[in-house]
Amino acid sequence: NAGVTQTPKFRILKIGQSMTLQCTQDMNHNYMYWYRQDPGMGLKLIYYSVGAGITDKGEVPNGYNVSRSTTEDFPLRLELAAPSQTSVYFCASSAGGGFMNTEAFFGQGTRLTVV
Amino acid sequence: AQSVTQLDSHVSVSEGTPVLLRCNYSSSYSPSLFWYVQHPNKGLQLLLKYTSAATLVKGINGFEAEFKKSETSFHLTKPSAHMSDAAEYFCVVSDLGAAGNKLTFGGGTRVLVKP
Repeated sequence: NAGVTQTPKFRILKIGQSMTLQCTQDMNHNYMYWYRQDPGMGLKLIYYSVGAGITDKGEVPNGYNVSRSTTEDFPLRLELAAPSQTSVYFCASSAGGGFMNTEAFFGQGTRLTVV
Repeated sequence: AQSVTQLDSHVSVSEGTPVLLRCNYSSSYSPSLFWYVQHPNKGLQLLLKYTSAATLVKGINGFEAEFKKSETSFHLTKPSAHMSDAAEYFCVVSDLGAAGNKLTFGGGTRVLVKP
């Protein structure tokens, strides 16, 4: 009954360091998403994927990369961390494919601080 | 392009009184609409969703929302607030007609419940 699992939960990075935020889902969902949430703001879409091997940019993709080699996994890569990337990151998945399948399931979030 | 406006960034209510959270949306297609709740330091949980069936949608924990196409609104209500309702609430729109199944979030409404 895991749903969407994100690791790590917390991380502090120094400016210029790199890291990968991991996300895996066990619901066989085609659609997966990465969002960031800044204080007092809604969630903004970074990247999304409609299936293995297919990814596309969202609203705020700069400074990030993604890959989707399997249905289950959708890692988010930060290559050169900057203070502007301090945020809470949420991974989500949905079945897609019709009106009844648009509900998104979210992970618990990764709180990232870049200093 | 789709967008969501939550008309109140903060709402304060007394325990036992009604709650009203206002949401207006714009969408190029027939939208799916959602309300999510986020308790402090937690992930997002789906409260309810509208997917072109009944316009009055009932969700968990006594919440409901009414889809009004003529007003492009999807306001969330609860007859009697409980202390556990203190959280942040997000109105979300999904356009199935667009490429992918992207969710667009409103800015959020933080609810404070006074004893």
